[in-house]
Amino acid sequence: KAGVTQTPRYLIKTRGQQVTLSCSPISGHRSVSWYQQTPGQGLQFLFEYFSETQRNKGNFPGRFSGRQFSNSRSEMNVSTLELGDSALYLCASTLEASGSSTDTQYFGPGTRLTVL
Amino acid sequence: AQSVAQPEDQVNVAEGNPLTVKCTYSVSGNPYLFWYVQYPNRGLQFLLKYITGDNLVKGSYGFEAEFNKSQTSFHLKKPSALVSDSALYFCAVRDSNQAGTALIFGKGTTLSVSS
Repeated sequence: KAGVTQTPRYLIKTRGQQVTLSCSPISGHRSVSWYQQTPGQGLQFLFEYFSETQRNKGNFPGRFSGRQFSNSRSEMNVSTLELGDSALYLCASTLEASGSSTDTQYFGPGTRLTVL
Repeated sequence: AQSVAQPEDQVNVAEGNPLTVKCTYSVSGNPYLFWYVQYPNRGLQFLLKYITGDNLVKGSYGFEAEFNKSQTSFHLKKPSALVSDSALYFCAVRDSNQAGTALIFGKGTTLSVSS
């Protein structure tokens, strides 16, 4: 079974632009979460989607948004990019066949965003 | 509020020696605890998790972890380290009282295994 895929793998943008990142979960997985990884702040939770609804949200400004489609694929968008948004953005999917919160999150390879 | 602490930024061990990477946590409900490993320019790979039951959990690549409720710890261990184990290790927690599957991660510990 294919793992979590993220596109693109690398992205270079300039300040003020916006960007959209894509995540395809493992087949059959229903939940998708997004994380930001930076050297200074480590891994920080952005948001989580389940059945096309945002279920949880981390402490990030409104410039960060996301959505989930009916096939569980997810996108996240960052508007008005700032230098500090340079990071590795990781997507993770979870099965949750029975709505269990004990399931494991499986991560994709990430999208490396560089803001110049 | 949930939190995870990994008190050591770096752990150095010689190949063949046992290794321990420490993790402590704080949650209001029961903890669901996870260990992940990250190699350079890669995503996170799942190693093992504790949900309930036996305090000693066995995972991938010979790793195991011991859950200690009284000390609120979940240390990662391996009896004999390999050079290929050198990587960045993350401990993560999920509170059983929280809906969803989002994880709170520690800052990470760099494991360096010398030959």
